[in-house]
Amino acid sequence: NAGVTQTPKFQVLKTGQSMTLQCAQDMNHEYMSWYRQDPGMGLRLIHYSVGAGITDQGEVPNGYNVSRSTTEDFPLRLLSAAPSQTSVYFCASRRGLRTGELFFGEGSRLTVL
Amino acid sequence: AQSVTQPDIHITVSEGASLELRCNYSYGATPYLFWYVQSPGQGLQLLLKYFSGDTLVQGIKGFEAEFKRSQSSFNLRKPSVHWSDAAEYFCAVGAGSGGGADGLTFGKGTHLIIQP
Repeated sequence: NAGVTQTPKFQVLKTGQSMTLQCAQDMNHEYMSWYRQDPGMGLRLIHYSVGAGITDQGEVPNGYNVSRSTTEDFPLRLLSAAPSQTSVYFCASRRGLRTGELFFGEGSRLTVL
Repeated sequence: AQSVTQPDIHITVSEGASLELRCNYSYGATPYLFWYVQSPGQGLQLLLKYFSGDTLVQGIKGFEAEFKRSQSSFNLRKPSVHWSDAAEYFCAVGAGSGGGADGLTFGKGTHLIIQP
């Protein structure tokens, strides 16, 4: 059972570079989201999607872009990386916007130099 | 707005001893409540959840939690901890309205250390 799969697990970027964190789920969940986890800050919601073609901003969306062309995939794009974006990123999915528990990927550790 | 407080940032427990991790929430109606565990370098795994019904909830790995409406608490317990229980534990509240954009609010976590 794959669940939620994130790639890459580790990435080092230079300031100003762009990259995409990939996320895929095989549970046919309508809801998908991206969180960032920073020491002492807990989990903060970046962007989320309630279905293909529908995305919305979370608590900390600046500097990130998302799209949802299929139910399975929800990539997170960093347009011009900044050191403040050094973090661990988690993708999660859920049956519906406010339904059921969240299933998490294993995380992507990003360092921006 | 809803909120979750985990008062203990770090807790140290001897192996074989009992454990209680505290979680207090603020929400106007009956919330959905969750406990997640995060092992080092891993994602978050659901330990247990409360949606309705019996206020004592059993989860995986021998954990249980009790919903106490009068105290706005959802404390996590385990009668005898194992070294493999060392991890970060997150309480979360989710509801049909309020909270973050997706209705879920996480506590900042409690880091559990197990002493041999």
